[in-house]
Amino acid sequence: GESVGLHLPTLSVQEGDNSIINCAYSNSASDYFIWYKQESGKGPQFIIDIRSNMDKRQGQRVTVLLNKTVKHLSLQIAATQPGDSAVYFCAENEGTYKYIFGTGTRLKVLA
Amino acid sequence: DAGVTQSPTHLIKTRGQQVTLRCSPKSGHDTVSWYQQALGQGPQFIFQYYEEEERQRGNFPDRFSGHQFPNYSSELNVNALLLGDSALYLCASSLTQNEQFFGPGTRLTVL
Repeated sequence: GESVGLHLPTLSVQEGDNSIINCAYSNSASDYFIWYKQESGKGPQFIIDIRSNMDKRQGQRVTVLLNKTVKHLSLQIAATQPGDSAVYFCAENEGTYKYIFGTGTRLKVLA
Repeated sequence: DAGVTQSPTHLIKTRGQQVTLRCSPKSGHDTVSWYQQALGQGPQFIFQYYEEEERQRGNFPDRFSGHQFPNYSSELNVNALLLGDSALYLCASSLTQNEQFFGPGTRLTVL
């Protein structure tokens, strides 16, 4: 399949370890944030979202943290598995209908 | 329940030509958004269609136009193709303002 993100920042993590992917967003007016996972040759897949009235939200093996003071978002993946290898994007809303995506981080899981 | 589908999967055009890409939203979804994803970058919002009208537009020239049909499917048209239009074109559908489901994309190559 095609390669997504040839020159993206890369995070290499040992299988079983926890991963932390960071994202800085630009618009202090954004009130909704999403993390997406994109595997090679596929469209982005929704992982987890968070609204600006929350600091933390947990899903299955994933946690999103939001720090509005410094406009920072992070995605934590517990017990990283080979299937987690992909490019991860954060997205913030701009107004009601538009989403702005970050540049992405490639996660490589080492066996 | 079918997810978001897009056609064609791949397309090769030459400069100056016109192209039409198609998207069928996830069952029950009434809103379709189109994104352009250049290699190594995050998706960029082109526009969103709701009730057969363009509801919001990103920073793309008028060469990019679209349409939504009564069955909520959508088309993206690009006229006078440029080399820089080569990218993965993603369609995303949603019912609410928030969670968008992406299709696999159409890879457009302009020669």
